[in-house]
Amino acid sequence: DIQMTQSPSSLSASVGDRVTITCRASQGINNYLAWYQQKPGKVPKLLIYGASTLQSGVPSRFSGSRSGTDFTLTISSLQPEDVASYYCQKYNSAPFSFGPGTTVDIK
Amino acid sequence: EVQLLESGGGLIQPGGSLRLSCAASGFAFSGNAMSWVRQAPGKGLEWVSVISGSGGSTYYADSVQGRFTISRDNSKKTLYLQMSSLRVEDTAVYYCAKGGITIFGNWFDPWGQGTLVTVSS
Repeated sequence: DIQMTQSPSSLSASVGDRVTITCRASQGINNYLAWYQQKPGKVPKLLIYGASTLQSGVPSRFSGSRSGTDFTLTISSLQPEDVASYYCQKYNSAPFSFGPGTTVDIK
Repeated sequence: EVQLLESGGGLIQPGGSLRLSCAASGFAFSGNAMSWVRQAPGKGLEWVSVISGSGGSTYYADSVQGRFTISRDNSKKTLYLQMSSLRVEDTAVYYCAKGGITIFGNWFDPWGQGTLVTVSS
C-alpha cells in the first residue's frame, strides 16, 4: 500500500506568516491528493482537491502544489482562524490513506 | 444543501457488534460512492471503508477487513456500517463522507457530524 507522510507534525507561527506543510506519497498518485482542515472539536473540511484546486468558499490564502510525489499546502498569511490540524489524503485507489496530520497554532 | 447525519454509536463491550447509520439528504444518493472514516480520541483520521453508488463494490482498510461490513439502502438514502468482533482499538468517532460518481478518483466532501463508538468492558 502507498504510505502518506507529512511534515512537520506541528508548527507554531505568527499571524501573517507564510506557512508550508508537506505531504509525501511513497509511490506516484498523480494529482489524486486532497487536503482537509479540522478545527478543534469540529468536522474535517475539504480545502483542496486535485493537489491544487481550491474548494469553493475556501479563502484564497490557501494553495496547493505538487512536485512528483511531494505535495505542499501553503497558507500565504496565517490567520487566527487557521488554527487547526491539516491532513492530506490520497484518493487514486483504496486504501484512501490519510497523512498523520500537521497541527498549526499561533505563536 | 447536502447533509449527512450519523447515528448508532454508543458503548459496547469488546467482542460485541454495533451498526452505524448515516442518513443522507440534499443530493442524488445512489449516484455517489460513500465512505466511513474514523478518528480515535486525540488521533488522526483513518479511512475505514468505501462503497460504490450501486452498492456493488466495496473496499476495506486492513484493520477492519473481515469484521466490518459496509452497505447502503438507496431507497432510504442511508449508509450503514455493521461492526462486529469489536476491539478496544476500534474506539473512535466514526464519520460518513460523500464521495464522487466513481469509487476511485474522488475526494470526500462533505462529512457528517460523526458518531462516537466506545469499546470498553
